Amino acid sequence: NAGVTQTPKFQVLKTGQSMTLQCAQDMNHEYMSWYRQDPGMGLRLIHYSVGAGITDQGEVPNGYNVSRSTTEDFPLRLLSAAPSQTSVYFCASSSSGGYNEQFFGPGTRLTVL
Amino acid sequence: QQPVQSPQAVILREGEDAVINCSSSKALYSVHWYRQKHGEAPVFLMILLKGGEQKGHDKISASFNEKKQQSSLYLTASQLSYSGTYFCGTDPMEYGNKLVFGAGTILRVKS
Repeated sequence: NAGVTQTPKFQVLKTGQSMTLQCAQDMNHEYMSWYRQDPGMGLRLIHYSVGAGITDQGEVPNGYNVSRSTTEDFPLRLLSAAPSQTSVYFCASSSSGGYNEQFFGPGTRLTVL
Repeated sequence: QQPVQSPQAVILREGEDAVINCSSSKALYSVHWYRQKHGEAPVFLMILLKGGEQKGHDKISASFNEKKQQSSLYLTASQLSYSGTYFCGTDPMEYGNKLVFGAGTILRVKS
């Protein structure tokens, strides 16, 4: 059981480039989420999904797209990278229902120059 | 709206106790607590639900005051391994998945 996996671990982009952060889970969880973490700001929700084909915006969705074609995968796309998107990105999954504790992936550290 | 955590930081000696608080301006269905060590992902500690149910690690205790939308995490007889940043996350909806996290409380336990 790998849990939640994320690739890449580190990435450097130039302003204006696009890229996709990959996230996969093997726990058959319905719920998946993307967070960004900046110093002193805690974890902020970017986008989330409650099942395959269903996604919705979180607190800070601008500049990011998501899709959920399978239960296992939830990629995050940066459309045109900006220095303000320099952050650590965490993907998380959880089961549906009341006890929906989040299982986090190891994170992707992204730097936009 | 982001829940407010207090204190922002606390330093303890091994064996001492600490309380971390989390307060929201919205009515809540659930409160989550996580601990994050430097350079690592957050790890689940406890979840408390409206109505009194809760689930978490045996050595961690917490409370949830539904009327005040406040939760507290109690760390007793602290150990060096308790050091890290503690986050609360709140969700207003049952069967929701829209957690909003506080800014975190940095806990350092010294020997």
